[in-house]
Amino acid sequence: DQQVKQNSPSLSVQEGRISILNCDYTNSMFDYFLWYKKYPAEGPTFLISISSIKDKNEDGRFTVFLNKSAKHLSLHIVPSQPGDSAVYFCAADLAGALVFGKGTRLSVIA
Amino acid sequence: EAQVTQNPRYLITVTGKKLTVTCSQNMNHEYMSWYRQDPGLGLRQIYYSMNVEVTDKGDVPEGYKVSRKEKRNFPLILESPSPNQTSLYFCASSLIRTGLYEQYFGPGTRLTVT
Repeated sequence: DQQVKQNSPSLSVQEGRISILNCDYTNSMFDYFLWYKKYPAEGPTFLISISSIKDKNEDGRFTVFLNKSAKHLSLHIVPSQPGDSAVYFCAADLAGALVFGKGTRLSVIA
Repeated sequence: EAQVTQNPRYLITVTGKKLTVTCSQNMNHEYMSWYRQDPGLGLRQIYYSMNVEVTDKGDVPEGYKVSRKEKRNFPLILESPSPNQTSLYFCASSLIRTGLYEQYFGPGTRLTVT
């Protein structure tokens, strides 16, 4: 039973437009939520996190939104750039135990 | 430069031959963890450690051991590797404070058990 789900395996976006990556979770006790991007043959790169007590966190082109009532979070990338093409993972933390979604492959088309 | 290092990066071994994958971080983080990545299954947590001498099981701890004798090091030990432990392994360290959570991954260790 997946506690963290990324229902879209892939997403294509035009360069300069907004990319929206979605993630759903089932456990309302999660403390933090994190987003990573990953290139082949490299370790995941941490992008941004959000505490469960917040509903938005922003860092440069990346914004994460948390909707606790819907148990849903999203990552917005604005504007999207070709270098953003990668696999994006969301993850949820409960006192150190971290659970990952299976990832969404983002392709940004020039 | 802040980093997480893992060694070796690649390892081919045989069933039953004990091995250790080392992990070291230079950021003075209290929290460290190990993951494996498998096709179709994504990243799954093996073990994590909130501080020296404190370790806990993640989702898939069977067949693995860890130790945390020093803050900077968190080795992953496979006492008797089996082919189903063939995978890509990542170590990570994290800075966790109230309202703040950042996590940094190592480059990965690709392990093949024949």
